Amino acid sequence: GAVVSQHPSWVICKSGTSVKIECRSLDFQATTMFWYRQFPKQSLMLMATSNEGSKATYEQGVEKDKFLINHASLTLSTLTVTSAHPEDSSFYICSANQGLAGGQETQYFGPGTRLLVL
Amino acid sequence: AQSVTQLDSQVPVFEEAPVELRCNYSSSVSVYLFWYVQYPNQGLQLLLKYLSGSTLVKGINGFEAEFNKSQTSFHLRKPSVHISDTAEYFCAVSERSQGNLIFGKGTKLSVKP
Repeated sequence: GAVVSQHPSWVICKSGTSVKIECRSLDFQATTMFWYRQFPKQSLMLMATSNEGSKATYEQGVEKDKFLINHASLTLSTLTVTSAHPEDSSFYICSANQGLAGGQETQYFGPGTRLLVL
Repeated sequence: AQSVTQLDSQVPVFEEAPVELRCNYSSSVSVYLFWYVQYPNQGLQLLLKYLSGSTLVKGINGFEAEFNKSQTSFHLRKPSVHISDTAEYFCAVSERSQGNLIFGKGTKLSVKP
């Protein structure tokens, strides 16, 4: 099946620093990737939709200047949390859309990145 | 706008017993429906999906779900659970198969020996 990886899996950083998270589709090309965040004991909330070669589309309430998304190639999207603060601590999960014949697209999820901001 | 309701936040069950995890959705347009499983400290894995056709959908690990349009439900079932099925299960909906997903709050399934 389709595999999506994320790096790093864990990151601890000081308040005020920036953190970059990578999301890669390993065995397929993904024109669309999605970024979610998941707070403890809560569901996934979509942050933004990332399309290769164009600007990301952010959900309402998500600061685009704080959460920078770059989708430079069909297999890589990055999320940079700029000037991270403790309230940004969360589990960040990406997904990639694998286009299949007949329009049977499916999102495949990465294993997630746990961010802790001290 | 769509929304997804998972009525049970936790479902404890004994090994080899049947289980049903409930999911209801609301939407003004046709939707696609998904069930994902999340094991501790891991990402989400697709269990099954309904895009069109037969309303009974079979997925991995012996799970199945039935789409009921009149009741706007997509309940997940397994006739006999294993300890390894202990995980959190998320129901999700999207307007089109490649669109962004709206997730329910999840149901934690705990299988006990």
